[in-house]
Amino acid sequence: DQQVKQNSPSLSVQEGRISILNCDYTNSMFDYFLWYKKYPAEGPTFLISISSIKDKNEDGRFTVFLNKSAKHLSLHIVPSQPGDSAVYFCAASAFGNKLVFGAGTILRVKS
Amino acid sequence: EPEVTQTPSHQVTQMGQEVILRCVPISNHLYFYWYRQILGQKVEFLVSFYNNEISEKSEIFDDQFSVERPDGSNFTLKIRSTKLEDSAMYFCASSGPPTNEKLFFGSGTQLSVL
Repeated sequence: DQQVKQNSPSLSVQEGRISILNCDYTNSMFDYFLWYKKYPAEGPTFLISISSIKDKNEDGRFTVFLNKSAKHLSLHIVPSQPGDSAVYFCAASAFGNKLVFGAGTILRVKS
Repeated sequence: EPEVTQTPSHQVTQMGQEVILRCVPISNHLYFYWYRQILGQKVEFLVSFYNNEISEKSEIFDDQFSVERPDGSNFTLKIRSTKLEDSAMYFCASSGPPTNEKLFFGSGTQLSVL
């Protein structure tokens, strides 16, 4: 099941700089997209979401961009902090059904 | 802040044994889910539950798996006869108004089948 893809397994960023995590999807029926953050031995924690009727949603240091024509979304973290180091999962759903997750991207923020 | 709680945090069992993983979803939530993550792999959907019945299940969720909401607060996942390949972190999640699509996850149960 490759409906949601995160092609970068890992990303390393300097503290204070921007982190950009990318996600592509193939199912045009997806209408809601979410980013989750996960620390080892913990469950995924909701970070930010976006509906397909929008192209941008911002919450503090986190902004999610949605490009429906390209079936692509990205998460921007500005400025990045060492505490942001975690695995970031992109997820999508269609009509309120199950979430489909990407494989995750490990973000390391270096101080 | 309300949270989803899961017990136990770790479960070790012998192959062929039955296990029950327990979850207490957030109290006003109506949708309940089980996901799992095998080490090094992606988080996979197992089953969703709404209005006291399964609303969707994946091909992983075969006859060895069952879910139940035995009372108003608990949500359980039972594996009747565990296999080695069932070893994974199992996550319970729930969602509810105002945004049913936003799932809240528990901290997981690490199941090890020996």
